[in-house]
Amino acid sequence: DIVMTQTPRSLSVTPGQPASISCKSSQSLVHSHGKTYLYWYLQKPGQSPQLLIYGVSNRFSGVPDRFRGSGSGTEFTLEIRRVEAEDVGIYYCMQTIQLPFSFGPGTRVDVK
Amino acid sequence: QVHLQESGPGLVKPSETLSLICSVSGGSISSDYWTWIRQSPGKGLEWIGYMYHSGGTDYNPSLKTRVTISIDKSKNQFSLKLSSVTAADTGVYYCARDRYDSGMDLWGKGTTVTVSS
Repeated sequence: DIVMTQTPRSLSVTPGQPASISCKSSQSLVHSHGKTYLYWYLQKPGQSPQLLIYGVSNRFSGVPDRFRGSGSGTEFTLEIRRVEAEDVGIYYCMQTIQLPFSFGPGTRVDVK
Repeated sequence: QVHLQESGPGLVKPSETLSLICSVSGGSISSDYWTWIRQSPGKGLEWIGYMYHSGGTDYNPSLKTRVTISIDKSKNQFSLKLSSVTAADTGVYYCARDRYDSGMDLWGKGTTVTVSS
């Protein structure tokens, strides 16, 4: 099974400051046809997870451009350029290249 | 706008079968992948499995012997059955639409299932 790890596990950020979350996979997430199956989801307090980023770096419809995904192979990063109060929650990375699809343990972000 | 809504018993006895339904409104269930995910304090988010619009399924191997996902296109809903449940199956169960390489773009609000006698 592919194991997803995330660092840090929690983050406290001053509004307007940047934040960065790292996600690493135990195996490459690059398919033979070239696509990389890495996603980022945000679970806001009391809500179900919501899609932020697909295919490493593609923002889902409506996601602000302060969110940026990057990386390749087994190492990925989610950056929030200027954190806002509405960005609080738990961020999860997820892989879907190999069954069982798996999530990282999550990174809790709160705003100071 | 497409909405997903989970429904089913909130309490299931050990060794019995957990049965949930996800109702899809505002759109057709005749395309995409229809997914179940659960969340428990001990195991975080866990992908259970999905059914493709064509009828095929993929399941988490750790649950494969106990799980069945099916679609009822006439009712625009899909379901989850998990047999021989134990306390470890307690958690919040979510249904979601997976657009394959574009991610799970729609989620239900989730339903809490407790396994207890």
